[in-house]
Amino acid sequence: SQQGEEDPQALSIQEGENATMNCSYKTSINNLQWYRQNSGRGLVHLILIRSNEREKHSGRLRVTLDTSKKSSSLLITASRAADTASYFCATEDKQGAQKLVFGQGTRLTINP
Amino acid sequence: NAGVTQTPKFRVLKTGQSMTLLCAQDMNHEYMYWYRQDPGMGLRLIHYSVGEGTTAKGEVPDGYNVSRLKKQNFLLGLESAAPSQTSVYFCASGGQGNNEQFFGPGTRLTVL
Repeated sequence: SQQGEEDPQALSIQEGENATMNCSYKTSINNLQWYRQNSGRGLVHLILIRSNEREKHSGRLRVTLDTSKKSSSLLITASRAADTASYFCATEDKQGAQKLVFGQGTRLTINP
Repeated sequence: NAGVTQTPKFRVLKTGQSMTLLCAQDMNHEYMYWYRQDPGMGLRLIHYSVGEGTTAKGEVPDGYNVSRLKKQNFLLGLESAAPSQTSVYFCASGGQGNNEQFFGPGTRLTVL
Protein backbone atom coordinates (compact mmCIF):
# COMPACT_ATOMS: atom_id res chain seq x y z
CA SER A 1 0.00 0.00 0.00
CA GLN A 2 1.09 3.57 -0.54
CA GLN A 3 2.96 5.06 2.37
CA GLY A 4 2.00 8.60 1.71
CA GLU A 5 -0.84 10.69 0.52
CA GLU A 6 -0.36 13.93 -1.29
CA ASP A 7 -2.65 16.84 -1.68
CA PRO A 8 -3.82 18.42 -3.70
CA GLN A 9 -3.96 15.78 -6.44
CA ALA A 10 -3.87 18.60 -8.99
CA LEU A 11 -2.89 22.25 -8.76
CA SER A 12 -3.12 24.93 -11.42
CA ILE A 13 -1.60 28.37 -10.85
CA GLN A 14 -0.37 31.39 -12.79
CA GLU A 15 3.27 31.81 -13.65
CA GLY A 16 5.06 33.73 -10.94
CA GLU A 17 2.84 32.47 -8.14
CA ASN A 18 4.00 30.09 -5.43
CA ALA A 19 2.94 26.44 -5.40
CA THR A 20 2.59 24.38 -2.24
CA MET A 21 2.16 20.62 -2.14
CA ASN A 22 1.64 18.51 0.96
CA CYS A 23 2.55 14.94 1.80
CA SER A 24 1.53 12.76 4.72
CA TYR A 25 3.02 9.41 5.65
CA LYS A 26 2.37 6.63 8.13
CA THR A 27 5.53 5.11 9.60
CA SER A 28 8.87 6.21 11.04
CA ILE A 29 11.30 7.35 8.38
CA ASN A 30 15.00 7.97 7.80
CA ASN A 31 14.33 10.72 5.31
CA LEU A 32 11.74 12.12 2.94
CA GLN A 33 12.50 13.01 -0.66
CA TRP A 34 10.70 14.91 -3.38
CA TYR A 35 10.90 13.94 -7.04
CA ARG A 36 9.62 15.56 -10.24
CA GLN A 37 8.27 13.70 -13.24
CA ASN A 38 7.73 15.37 -16.56
CA SER A 39 5.07 13.77 -18.72
CA GLY A 40 6.18 10.37 -19.97
CA ARG A 41 9.63 10.61 -18.44
CA GLY A 42 11.54 9.15 -15.51
CA LEU A 43 11.63 10.75 -12.08
CA VAL A 44 14.24 13.31 -11.14
CA HIS A 45 15.37 13.85 -7.57
CA LEU A 46 14.75 17.36 -6.24
CA ILE A 47 15.53 17.47 -2.55
CA LEU A 48 15.99 15.28 0.51
CA ILE A 49 15.21 16.14 4.11
CA ARG A 50 16.37 13.92 6.95
CA SER A 51 14.18 12.97 9.88
CA ASN A 52 16.15 15.23 12.25
CA GLU A 53 15.75 18.28 9.99
CA ARG A 54 12.78 20.61 9.97
CA GLU A 55 13.38 22.75 6.90
CA LYS A 56 15.60 22.70 3.86
CA HIS A 57 16.10 25.01 0.88
CA SER A 58 17.41 24.43 -2.61
CA GLY A 59 17.10 27.30 -5.07
CA ARG A 60 13.39 28.04 -5.43
CA LEU A 61 12.44 24.95 -3.43
CA ARG A 62 11.63 24.89 0.26
CA VAL A 63 10.79 21.67 2.06
CA THR A 64 9.50 21.32 5.59
CA LEU A 65 9.14 18.18 7.67
CA ASP A 66 7.05 17.68 10.79
CA THR A 67 7.75 14.21 12.13
CA SER A 68 5.23 14.62 14.97
CA LYS A 69 2.47 15.07 12.38
CA LYS A 70 4.13 12.77 9.84
CA SER A 71 3.82 15.39 7.16
CA SER A 72 5.92 17.40 4.74
CA SER A 73 5.36 20.25 2.35
CA LEU A 74 7.11 21.36 -0.81
CA LEU A 75 7.00 25.03 -1.76
CA ILE A 76 8.05 26.19 -5.20
CA THR A 77 8.44 29.95 -5.31
CA ALA A 78 8.11 32.20 -8.36
CA SER A 79 6.81 29.37 -10.52
CA ARG A 80 7.73 29.03 -14.18
CA ALA A 81 6.07 27.25 -17.08
CA ALA A 82 8.92 24.73 -16.97
CA ASP A 83 7.82 23.70 -13.46
CA THR A 84 4.74 22.02 -14.99
CA ALA A 85 5.11 18.37 -13.96
CA SER A 86 3.99 15.80 -11.42
CA TYR A 87 5.63 15.96 -8.01
CA PHE A 88 6.00 12.94 -5.75
CA CYS A 89 7.07 12.61 -2.18
CA ALA A 90 8.88 9.44 -1.20
CA THR A 91 9.79 8.17 2.23
CA GLU A 92 12.74 5.97 3.10
CA ASP A 93 11.93 3.69 6.00
CA LYS A 94 14.29 2.23 8.58
CA GLN A 95 14.28 -1.29 7.12
CA GLY A 96 17.42 -0.79 5.05
CA ALA A 97 18.30 -1.01 1.34
CA GLN A 98 17.32 2.66 0.97
CA LYS A 99 13.90 1.57 -0.31
CA LEU A 100 11.44 4.32 -1.11
CA VAL A 101 7.67 4.37 -0.81
CA PHE A 102 5.99 6.92 -3.03
CA GLY A 103 2.88 8.99 -2.67
CA GLN A 104 0.35 9.30 -5.49
CA GLY A 105 1.72 12.64 -6.63
CA THR A 106 0.49 16.17 -7.30
CA ARG A 107 -0.01 17.26 -10.88
CA LEU A 108 1.15 20.89 -11.11
CA THR A 109 0.23 23.08 -14.08
CA ILE A 110 1.75 26.53 -14.47
CA ASN A 111 -0.31 28.77 -16.74
CA PRO A 112 1.57 31.48 -18.66
CA ASN B 1 27.79 8.96 -18.45
CA ALA B 2 24.51 7.48 -19.67
CA GLY B 3 23.13 7.11 -16.13
CA VAL B 4 20.32 4.56 -16.04
CA THR B 5 19.12 3.10 -19.31
CA GLN B 6 16.20 0.77 -19.99
CA THR B 7 15.38 -1.43 -22.97
CA PRO B 8 12.99 -1.66 -24.63
CA LYS B 9 11.12 1.64 -24.46
CA PHE B 10 7.81 0.17 -25.60
CA ARG B 11 6.44 -3.35 -25.90
CA VAL B 12 3.12 -4.98 -26.63
CA LEU B 13 2.57 -8.56 -25.47
CA LYS B 14 -0.23 -11.03 -25.73
CA THR B 15 -1.52 -12.69 -22.57
CA GLY B 16 0.72 -15.61 -21.65
CA GLN B 17 3.81 -14.38 -23.48
CA SER B 18 7.07 -13.80 -21.65
CA MET B 19 9.61 -11.03 -21.83
CA THR B 20 12.60 -9.53 -20.07
CA LEU B 21 13.19 -5.87 -19.37
CA LEU B 22 16.81 -4.79 -19.10
CA CYS B 23 18.14 -2.04 -16.86
CA ALA B 24 21.73 -0.89 -16.95
CA GLN B 25 23.56 1.72 -14.86
CA ASP B 26 27.07 3.07 -15.25
CA MET B 27 27.40 4.79 -11.86
CA ASN B 28 28.75 1.76 -9.98
CA HIS B 29 25.72 1.82 -7.69
CA GLU B 30 25.15 -1.02 -5.25
CA TYR B 31 21.38 -0.74 -5.10
CA MET B 32 18.95 -1.24 -7.97
CA TYR B 33 15.16 -1.21 -8.03
CA TRP B 34 12.24 -2.03 -10.30
CA TYR B 35 9.00 -0.08 -9.96
CA ARG B 36 5.71 -0.01 -11.78
CA GLN B 37 3.58 3.08 -12.25
CA ASP B 38 -0.11 2.88 -13.00
CA PRO B 39 -2.33 5.82 -14.04
CA GLY B 40 -2.89 8.32 -11.26
CA MET B 41 -0.64 6.47 -8.87
CA GLY B 42 2.83 6.76 -7.55
CA LEU B 43 5.49 4.17 -8.08
CA ARG B 44 5.24 0.77 -6.39
CA LEU B 45 8.33 -1.32 -5.72
CA ILE B 46 8.37 -4.72 -7.44
CA HIS B 47 11.81 -6.11 -6.59
CA TYR B 48 15.12 -4.69 -5.55
CA SER B 49 18.78 -5.66 -5.18
CA VAL B 50 21.40 -4.55 -2.70
CA GLY B 51 24.31 -5.94 -4.68
CA GLU B 52 25.48 -8.31 -7.38
CA GLY B 53 23.91 -11.73 -6.98
CA THR B 54 21.23 -10.56 -4.52
CA THR B 55 17.53 -9.86 -5.02
CA ALA B 56 14.58 -9.26 -2.72
CA LYS B 57 10.83 -8.78 -3.01
CA GLY B 58 9.20 -5.40 -2.85
CA GLU B 59 5.57 -4.43 -2.40
CA VAL B 60 4.14 -6.04 -5.56
CA PRO B 61 6.41 -8.95 -6.59
CA ASP B 62 3.84 -11.49 -7.80
CA GLY B 63 4.16 -12.42 -11.48
CA TYR B 64 7.70 -11.03 -11.79
CA ASN B 65 11.20 -12.40 -11.38
CA VAL B 66 14.53 -10.59 -11.33
CA SER B 67 18.21 -11.30 -11.64
CA ARG B 68 21.36 -9.31 -10.91
CA LEU B 69 24.21 -11.35 -12.36
CA LYS B 70 26.35 -8.26 -12.97
CA LYS B 71 26.52 -5.20 -10.76
CA GLN B 72 25.57 -2.85 -13.57
CA ASN B 73 22.54 -4.81 -14.82
CA PHE B 74 19.17 -5.63 -13.27
CA LEU B 75 16.73 -7.73 -15.29
CA LEU B 76 12.98 -7.93 -14.76
CA GLY B 77 11.17 -10.93 -16.20
CA LEU B 78 7.54 -11.64 -16.82
CA GLU B 79 7.09 -15.38 -17.32
CA SER B 80 3.42 -15.33 -18.34
CA ALA B 81 2.15 -11.82 -18.96
CA ALA B 82 -1.33 -10.81 -17.81
CA PRO B 83 -3.38 -7.71 -18.70
CA SER B 84 -2.98 -6.55 -15.07
CA GLN B 85 0.73 -6.12 -15.81
CA THR B 86 0.02 -3.37 -18.31
CA SER B 87 1.96 -0.49 -16.82
CA VAL B 88 4.98 1.74 -17.12
CA TYR B 89 8.07 0.15 -15.58
CA PHE B 90 10.88 2.19 -14.13
CA CYS B 91 14.29 1.07 -13.05
CA ALA B 92 16.33 3.06 -10.55
CA SER B 93 19.73 2.80 -8.91
CA GLY B 94 21.30 4.28 -5.83
CA GLY B 95 24.69 4.42 -4.18
CA GLN B 96 25.09 2.99 -0.70
CA GLY B 97 24.88 5.87 1.77
CA ASN B 98 23.66 8.28 -0.89
CA ASN B 99 19.92 8.08 -0.51
CA GLU B 100 18.96 9.67 -3.83
CA GLN B 101 17.70 7.30 -6.53
CA PHE B 102 18.44 7.78 -10.21
CA PHE B 103 15.71 6.71 -12.59
CA GLY B 104 15.68 5.36 -16.11
CA PRO B 105 13.30 6.69 -18.78
CA GLY B 106 10.78 3.88 -18.36
CA THR B 107 9.34 1.02 -20.42
CA ARG B 108 5.70 1.23 -21.45
CA LEU B 109 4.27 -2.30 -21.53
CA THR B 110 0.85 -3.23 -22.82
CA VAL B 111 -0.52 -6.74 -22.36
CA LEU B 112 -3.47 -7.59 -24.58
